[in-house]
Amino acid sequence: GAGVSQSPRYKVAKRGQDVALRCDPISGHVSLFWYQQALGQGPEFLTYFQNEAQLDKSGLPSDRFFAERPEGSVSTLKIQRTQKEDSAVYLCASSLGFWGQDQMNTEAFFGQGTRLTVV
Amino acid sequence: KNEVEQSPQNLTAQEGEFITINCSYSVGISALHWLQQHPGGGIVSLFMLSSGKKKHGRLIATINIQEKHSSLHITASHPRDSAVYICAVTGGATNKLIFGTGTLLAVQP
Repeated sequence: GAGVSQSPRYKVAKRGQDVALRCDPISGHVSLFWYQQALGQGPEFLTYFQNEAQLDKSGLPSDRFFAERPEGSVSTLKIQRTQKEDSAVYLCASSLGFWGQDQMNTEAFFGQGTRLTVV
Repeated sequence: KNEVEQSPQNLTAQEGEFITINCSYSVGISALHWLQQHPGGGIVSLFMLSSGKKKHGRLIATINIQEKHSSLHITASHPRDSAVYICAVTGGATNKLIFGTGTLLAVQP
């Protein structure tokens, strides 16, 4: 597709349920980021992939959060045993990636996000 | 203290007014981004800049690397400009975005 696609757009989960959020980045984009945006707050970094390699997962809030990108394109963010504090919009962004000092390749393209509500 | 600070947090303007949103950062960066987010909508990249000034339509973004400060200007503001404007910086090995808390702009007709 022409842009970054995320699914589902909305997800309601019961506390304790596992959820999986999908991100289809722009074709050919090397870098893929997941961000979490709580209501009224700015997005917070969760994790970063360069192709299939997860190079940074320092933002994942707990070991209940797991992300993968096995073939270097589609990525899935999985949250196990959801808690109410997991309620947020989960944003995926992709970029061409960067090569040396070529800063233009860091421009990020965002999906519409998945709004997760844990009840 | 946040690594990226924006001001003001909220801004109400009358249609036609000139608007300025400010961003200061405290970390080394490779680029600074201005992003727009409409309620319930995704995030759209407006500008990415590492020096000087960029202009796109009624939007102008400037950055002063020495002072670690950037401004986003909107000329002849219009109600459709109402949105959250977010300043973010990239740097480090992964070029992840570090976001400011955003400025909620409401332009009244």
